[in-house]
Amino acid sequence: DGGITQSPKYLFRKEGQNVTLSCEQNLNHDAMYWYRQDPGQGLRLIYYSQIVNDFQKGDIAEGYSVSREKKESFPLTVTSAQKNPTAFYLCATSWARGGELFFGEGSRLTVL
Amino acid sequence: EDKVVQSPLSLVVHEGDTVTLNCSYEVTNFRSLLWYKQEKKAPTFLFMLTSSGIEKKSGRLSSILDKKELFSILNITATQTGDSAVYLCAVETGGTSYGKLTFGQGTILTVHP
Repeated sequence: DGGITQSPKYLFRKEGQNVTLSCEQNLNHDAMYWYRQDPGQGLRLIYYSQIVNDFQKGDIAEGYSVSREKKESFPLTVTSAQKNPTAFYLCATSWARGGELFFGEGSRLTVL
Repeated sequence: EDKVVQSPLSLVVHEGDTVTLNCSYEVTNFRSLLWYKQEKKAPTFLFMLTSSGIEKKSGRLSSILDKKELFSILNITATQTGDSAVYLCAVETGGTSYGKLTFGQGTILTVHP
């Protein structure tokens, strides 16, 4: 099946623990993105990557880290430095030329 | 800082009503404006608008962009309960941020039978 796979769909963690959210795509898209969604705030960009081994901070990168070692994969680590990590996280992809984003099903992180 | 503002934030209507959702923006290096529908999890693409004054249509949904006044509207006619969702507006900017989208807060549409 072609698409974007995010895992896990639901994740519970204690405060102070780092967690890594997985995003894998087989669409052969060049660019990958991580967005955070909170109620009433729409989607906010955390990090994005337009090519392998390169990525840029988005609007709310503090407390997060990413890597892009393979075209297909763009994992997001939520570190203990992120002050309010409970949120819905969406991974997306696009062609390098931009335009429409294709989204995964999301990962809901709850920090207890 | 790029900014996208949607209104209203929420809307409750009855089946058969027509609704208009608004999206205004202030960005540098505008490339396109996109509308998405989010029912539960993954947003799904509706329209991409790049030229001012040209209406895009898909069934009961239509959208138009005004690049002079920096806004777009999404119209839904003869609403159905299946139209209940969050509608997201996003603006793509170019230059060094090629392909980066800035999203608005979303409009929550609820359609009652």
